[in-house]
Amino acid sequence: DSGVTQTPKHLITATGQRVTLRCSPRSGDLSVYWYQQSLDQGLQFLIHYYNGEERAKGNILERFSAQQFPDLHSELNLSSLELGDSALYFCASSVGARNYGYTFGSGTRLTVV
Amino acid sequence: KNEVEQSPQNLTAQEGEFITINCSYSVGISALHWLQQHPGGGIVSLFMLSSGKKKHGRLIATINIQEKHSSLHITASHPRDSAVYICAVESLNTDKLIFGTGTRLQVFP
Repeated sequence: DSGVTQTPKHLITATGQRVTLRCSPRSGDLSVYWYQQSLDQGLQFLIHYYNGEERAKGNILERFSAQQFPDLHSELNLSSLELGDSALYFCASSVGARNYGYTFGSGTRLTVV
Repeated sequence: KNEVEQSPQNLTAQEGEFITINCSYSVGISALHWLQQHPGGGIVSLFMLSSGKKKHGRLIATINIQEKHSSLHITASHPRDSAVYICAVESLNTDKLIFGTGTRLQVFP
């Protein structure tokens, strides 16, 4: 157990639907990062939150949104799902905003059918 | 051209062999990370480097900032080292991690 908790572990849903992925960071970590790993794209950075504030955005689609709550857990919302959104979604946490080691969650495997 | 390039893409080895995985990058960085992803999908952070060399058990990571190159070495490789090894860099001007495409390592007994 890395200390970073992601739920659910698996999710199967239909095109056009909306899902919410949840991440609880390791105790004491203020940063939460979201990544997408698809077969053809590898790992892609989506978004970074530090202590409730958005710090950086990567290749995140407009259909996707995220937030970090006061208790530091984060949610990634994916809407109007398409087949191509099927991927592993990882959350990672770190103590600070830059140049700290990352601890990864075990990921959420999303399958859009 | 990708900002982070890894070589080789695939690597097979016999147990006990010394293994080297290379990573080259083209952007300014504040740190470089080596990650390990096992077949089950979980990702473990192995090293974070900004200069020099780090060692943890049988794993050694080096970085040459001037040449924009890093290597991950595994000494006395073991079948349990079989995994995908991913190099990632923290871009100097942003908080983004830029990932290499990974090196798939298989170690046979």
